Amino acid sequence: ILNVEQSPQSLHVQEGDSTNFTCSFPSSNFYALHWYRWETAKSPEALFVMTLNGDEKKKGRISATLNTKEGYSYLYIKGSQPEDSATYLCALGNNDMRFGAGTRLTVKP
Amino acid sequence: NAGVMQNPRHLVRRRGQEARLRCSPMKGHSHVYWYRQLPEEGLKFMVYLQKENIIDESGMPKERFSAEFPKEGPSILRIQQVVRGDSAAYFCASSLLGEQYFGPGTRLTVT
Repeated sequence: ILNVEQSPQSLHVQEGDSTNFTCSFPSSNFYALHWYRWETAKSPEALFVMTLNGDEKKKGRISATLNTKEGYSYLYIKGSQPEDSATYLCALGNNDMRFGAGTRLTVKP
Repeated sequence: NAGVMQNPRHLVRRRGQEARLRCSPMKGHSHVYWYRQLPEEGLKFMVYLQKENIIDESGMPKERFSAEFPKEGPSILRIQQVVRGDSAAYFCASSLLGEQYFGPGTRLTVT
């Protein structure tokens, strides 16, 4: 069974704070790691696909790093805004993605 | 280019009835995936299909659930003789190669 763990489960920050959360996974048989942003009542939106150890990806104020040897990925949000409030999911795999439970981020104005 | 379409968005079925959920992938995408989100749980992979073929159904319950992706038309997730425990949001995603794009989901309620 492929266990993808995300922490923390939920996070409350003030507008302007920078924050980060973790996705942990078994380091063996790694193929790809995906980060998704999921707003309530909408469909998950792809943020990043990461495949190589040491990968760093950036999209605006959001960035992610990947360490396949130790089995973790970090997602960073710089200067959080209320519109960043969402659940951030990571998923491992290629076609049969295994999702973590997500980190629910709330950014207070 | 329209995104992934799912219908219906909401479906109510009585116990014992059949539920049919439809997913139209993005134009040009030949890979379809179905996921289920049970209440208070995360997304769980169910099945991966390419046109006319089931590639991986390791996440599908062994009974009552089936999926198809015919040569023409949408992918269908079919649940026979629904039970209350089938109440969930069912999402499909499609891809060309790699990144999966999700539809808005179908929320199934079994009464």
